[in-house]
Amino acid sequence: DSGVTQTPKHLITATGQRVTLRCSPRSGDLSVYWYQQSLDQGLQFLIQYYNGEERAKGNILERFSAQQFPDLHSELNLSSLELGDSALYFCASSVEQGFGTEAFFGQGTRLTVV
Amino acid sequence: GENVEQHPSTLSVQEGDSAVIKCTYSDSASNYFPWYKQELGKGPQLIIDIRSNVGEKKDQRIAVTLNKTAKHFSLHITETQPEDSAVYFCAAQNYGGSQGNLIFGKGTKLSVKP
Repeated sequence: DSGVTQTPKHLITATGQRVTLRCSPRSGDLSVYWYQQSLDQGLQFLIQYYNGEERAKGNILERFSAQQFPDLHSELNLSSLELGDSALYFCASSVEQGFGTEAFFGQGTRLTVV
Repeated sequence: GENVEQHPSTLSVQEGDSAVIKCTYSDSASNYFPWYKQELGKGPQLIIDIRSNVGEKKDQRIAVTLNKTAKHFSLHITETQPEDSAVYFCAAQNYGGSQGNLIFGKGTKLSVKP
């Protein structure tokens, strides 16, 4: 158990809908990262938050947004869902954003858009 | 931005043989290179990492080498066992500025045959 909790584990929804994925980082970790994993693209970095502030953006679509709350948990919001958004979404956390910081991954949320 | 290439995408070895996975990165400012192992249905888990001031690191049957000049790093697993079967990801991270996110390769599916 990495100490990173993601909910829900599985989510099935229809195209056009909006969903929210939740992540609770390890106790004491200030950085939260979101990754999308699909079969042909591997682990794609979406966005990073550090202590409530956005720090880095990767290949995140405009239909997607995220935030980190004062208690450090984070939510990833996916809207106007398309079939191609079906993937595993991972959250990871680390104690800081800096050099050589191990990132601990949650078990992921499997999103299926039908 | 950083780009990480990983080869091979699949690797099959006999139990007891060695396995080597290679990665190249594009951003010479990257200075932290972790390797993650992902088992079926689980999130990636760190198995070994190396920093840019070190050329080689070993941990029991696992070793990682880094060539900063050529911008490539490799994972070596000796005396492979069936439980080593998993998907392995290399990653690169650049500390400094506003970005601390990990950029991953596309993964190598390792199969160890008994």
